[in-house]
Amino acid sequence: DTAVSQTPKYLVTQMGNDKSIKCEQNLGHDTMYWYKQDSKKFLKIMFSYNNKELIINETVPNRFSPKSPDKAHLNLHINSLELGDSAVYFCASSQAGTITTGELFFGEGSRLTVL
Amino acid sequence: AQKVTQAQTEISVVEKEDVTLDCVYETRDTTYYLFWYKQPPSGELVFLIRRNSFDEQNEISGRYSWNFQKSTSSFNFTITASQVVDSAVYFCALRLPQTGANNLFFGTGTRLTVIP
Repeated sequence: DTAVSQTPKYLVTQMGNDKSIKCEQNLGHDTMYWYKQDSKKFLKIMFSYNNKELIINETVPNRFSPKSPDKAHLNLHINSLELGDSAVYFCASSQAGTITTGELFFGEGSRLTVL
Repeated sequence: AQKVTQAQTEISVVEKEDVTLDCVYETRDTTYYLFWYKQPPSGELVFLIRRNSFDEQNEISGRYSWNFQKSTSSFNFTITASQVVDSAVYFCALRLPQTGANNLFFGTGTRLTVIP
């Protein structure tokens, strides 16, 4: 079974559309993340959720909104898509709390292309 | 501020050669954690190793070895007898144990190409 799974793996859409990427982890972790990887492979954290509470919210446009129905899921909603949103989006999870050294486990990534 | 520098953007080696990927980090904290991740052409990010700042013992895992030196703030990664399957982008990362937060600062990655 895949530990961290994302859907869809590929997403092609037009500017101005609204889209969502789903993420699920079956590792029992209590912290989940969304990272954005640009065309130069640079990875930047977008959001982090711990026990359903947002604990990191980097300076990303408010068109991006994470939604976590439970600690095993963290979905990413993007409104009014722009060309610059084209990237690979990675979901990840880790165990926080007293175990603060936990490595992140990543999903396979979702490649978003905005035309 | 914390920062991770991977000065080598791209490296090409011939199969069976040894190769070292450099990683230099910056942080004022005395406790921190360092990681290496591999991103093969298929795109996923694969965890390779974690090292704590208070443990400078070097580690070897098969053909992989890591050299952690606090004096130079470096955490270099060596692949011995490289293979084509080692071709990937390798990321070094730094994390600080901040209460209530869990963040990882990535370097810009080194693309390794192993030529058969």
